[in-house]
Amino acid sequence: GENVEQHPSTLSVQEGDSAVIKCTYSDSASNYFPWYKQELGKRPQLIIDIRSNVGEKKDQRIAVTLNKTAKHFSLHITETQPEDSAVYFCAASKGSNYQLIWGAGTKLIIKP
Amino acid sequence: DVKVTQSSRYLVKRTGEKVFLECVQDMDHENMFWYRQDPGLGLRLIYFSYDVKMKEKGDIPEGYSVSREKKERFSLILESASTNQTSMYLCASRDGLRLYEQYFGPGTRLTVT
Repeated sequence: GENVEQHPSTLSVQEGDSAVIKCTYSDSASNYFPWYKQELGKRPQLIIDIRSNVGEKKDQRIAVTLNKTAKHFSLHITETQPEDSAVYFCAASKGSNYQLIWGAGTKLIIKP
Repeated sequence: DVKVTQSSRYLVKRTGEKVFLECVQDMDHENMFWYRQDPGLGLRLIYFSYDVKMKEKGDIPEGYSVSREKKERFSLILESASTNQTSMYLCASRDGLRLYEQYFGPGTRLTVT
């Protein structure tokens, strides 16, 4: 069946450095790719998303890139700060009905 | 602001008990979802509902059922709880017409002993 692979499972970076999380998907009909952030003990919240007609999207320190040919998309966080510490989930829409297939999550640790 | 609430933050039940988890959203969203979250497995979809009285199985529906009698409320039922259903359960809702963002509830940590 359809799946989304997410790497790495844990990422530790020095405060101020950049972090990159990568996902690959299998459903060629997927056309919506969100990223959610889940802080410890809290609910997941959408931080950025991208649709298949766009190759890159930026929002301040975060950006997402999409390569539809290779079926992968990535989250980039620049100038990381302590509040960026969280688990990040990528997802891909399942066909055209906007159910989501989720990656397993990446725990991002920002070292002071 | 969209508000999604769940009936309990923590729940402890015994094996074989019938368990009800309730989710309420206040934004008139058409779509509602139940997920379970386990470490290293991400979010796995149990059931979802496109509209009132409509439901569809997700990826792991075995051992669960759902009910959606009113638009704002989506209930997850464990007919006979088992220890392998110990997990974090997250409800989410989404405007089915325009917006794709899913809004999550705070989660229910269920322990089955």
